[in-house]
Parts: sequence; C-alpha cells; structure tokens
Amino acid sequence: AQKITQTQPGMFVQEKEAVTLDCTYDTSDPSYGLFWYKQPSSGEMIFLIYQGSYDQQNATEGRYSLNFQKARKSANLVISASQLGDSAMYFCAMRELSFGNEKLTFGTGTRLTIIP
Amino acid sequence: DVKVTQSSRYLVKRTGEKVFLECVQDMDHENMFWYRQDPGLGLRLIYFSYDVKMKEKGDIPEGYSVSREKKERFSLILESASTNQTSMYLCASEGQTSSYNEQFFGPGTRLTVL
Repeated sequence: AQKITQTQPGMFVQEKEAVTLDCTYDTSDPSYGLFWYKQPSSGEMIFLIYQGSYDQQNATEGRYSLNFQKARKSANLVISASQLGDSAMYFCAMRELSFGNEKLTFGTGTRLTIIP
Repeated sequence: DVKVTQSSRYLVKRTGEKVFLECVQDMDHENMFWYRQDPGLGLRLIYFSYDVKMKEKGDIPEGYSVSREKKERFSLILESASTNQTSMYLCASEGQTSSYNEQFFGPGTRLTVL
C-alpha cells in the first residue's frame, strides 16, 4: 500500500527566506510519481511540481524545487525567496505507476504562514 | 486553461436529505475524481470514473454514490446525508501531459449537514 507522510502540521517563515516542506513516502512500486499541490484559503488545489521516480534530475518550476532523495524515500518541496502569497496549505501526493493504479494518495498537508 | 466547476461553494443540508454535488470539466478529460478533505486527514478519494457510465470505488465510498451520464459531468450523491459527511468536497479532472497525468481541481464545495 502506498503512503505519504507530512510531519509538519504548520510552519511560520519570515518573508524572503527559503522554506523546506517535508514529505516522505512508502511504496514497493519502482515506478511512481510525486506531486506537490498548493491550496490557498480560497480552497482550490493548484498543481506546483512533479517528480518521476526515474527522473535523473530534481524537478524545478520557478521558485519551487523538489529535493528528491530516492534512497531515503523523501520528496521535500523547497520554496526560494518566500512571499506573502505563499501562505497556504501544501499537500504532497504520490501515484504508483506500474500496477495500473490511477489513484493519487495525499499526505495530511502542511499549513505554511509567511510573516512580513 | 482547464476549467473544473462545482455547482456550489457552500451547501447546508439536513440529516437524511439526498444531496447532489455536481462537477463539470471543459477539457474532454476521461478521468474524473471526487475527494473529501478533512482537517488532519488530507484528501481522501471517494469515487472515480474513467469513462461515461463507468465508476470505481475509492478509499471511502460508504454512504456515497456517483453518476457519470456525460463525459464532462461527474456527480456525487449522498443518498441520506449524515452529520459525519460534513466536509469539503473536491472534484478533479485528469489530463495527460508529455510525461505524467495531472489532476485539475475545482474550487470545492463546503457541505454542512445539520
């Protein structure tokens, strides 16, 4: 069974500092994908970044990067130069790809608050 | 841009009522999903659908059913609403990029059952 763990229920970070949101996962499937979503107070889930298990390089999208450590089964999201608009819930999610599993399993989320 | 819409942002119903939550997507996606979101539990999959008239149970289907009569519309039905179904409900539609499937979410419906 696949499982996603986010151990930080909440974080407070000073504006302009870098932020690392932790995510660990558990799967026996060698082929999987990892996703990060942002959920502002408006409620809509916004896709941020994707990392495939066979990708050679860590994914990056603008100020977002994914620190993928396959041996440790971790996929931490790094936000550089945080902004007030980064305040939101952040969810890590995983999909196993080998067994025809179409389900996306989410972690419990981290609420990030950026302090001016 | 993909657009996923949900029929209501906020809904208040009474215990025992039949509740319909509607979701519509405009990108001709085949896969659609219904989740509920509760504090401390993240998003949990209720049902999903690969095609018209096709449905699959997710992780927490009890107390829910779904309907997909048209490709663009996926409905979640609470046959007899109960207070423990008070939650945020999120619909998603899935499309494929060059290397992965991405889920696009609607704005959510916050349902309160009294």
